Amino acid sequence: QSVLTQPPSVSGAPGQRVTISCTGSSSNFGAGYDVHWYQQLPGTAPKLLIYANSNRPSGVPDRFSGSKSGTSASLAITGLQAEDEADYYCQSSDSSLSGYVFGTGTKVTVL
Amino acid sequence: EVQLVESGGGLVQPGRSLRLSCAASGFTFDDYAMHWVRQAPGKGLEWVSGISWNSGSIGYADSVKGRFTISRDNAKNSLYLQMNSLRAEDTALYYCAKDPYYDFGLGPYGMDVWGQGTTVTVSS
Repeated sequence: QSVLTQPPSVSGAPGQRVTISCTGSSSNFGAGYDVHWYQQLPGTAPKLLIYANSNRPSGVPDRFSGSKSGTSASLAITGLQAEDEADYYCQSSDSSLSGYVFGTGTKVTVL
Repeated sequence: EVQLVESGGGLVQPGRSLRLSCAASGFTFDDYAMHWVRQAPGKGLEWVSGISWNSGSIGYADSVKGRFTISRDNAKNSLYLQMNSLRAEDTALYYCAKDPYYDFGLGPYGMDVWGQGTTVTVSS
């Protein structure tokens, strides 16, 4: 059972902006741990999309942005493209679990 | 090229054991923490275990604690996962992932390199 909660699905038309929320608690985000985001295209391994709340690894388009505030975090995709259709996961550390935790995952559909 | 290649998966009966391996190349293996992450069929990602650069810090998910053991051999650029007392719910694709940080616990940078995974099926 994950302690990071995400909406099961979000959708948008090409060119639109979508956001994915990730709700945590005082033992992860509230304790100061950073959030990271991963994109998993169908049939492939996850790929690091955003690290340390709002930083993009080299090669990740600036259409992807992240933020964290209090016990919640969010990932925004602007200028949605067909190739963005994938599953997205948030991830953090958790002091109560003494380990790492992933969010429940969100499927993004491009209409 | 930075690469992680998992091996050792297969079909195993409940209660038996299996050892997964992850061969790393293209980076200085002993500079970084490493992790195992799994994904059950049609389900989300689940962090399984992590180990610091020198094996001094190790952690496990509650679901595998006491049954799985993570280890690494820096001389062989390899990460391992010894899985004992396997259950049907351990059936999953197991990924090896690199941490850009040397220590396990704070997780300041996420997991930046992933292998393609090895499949473990626990069934009689």
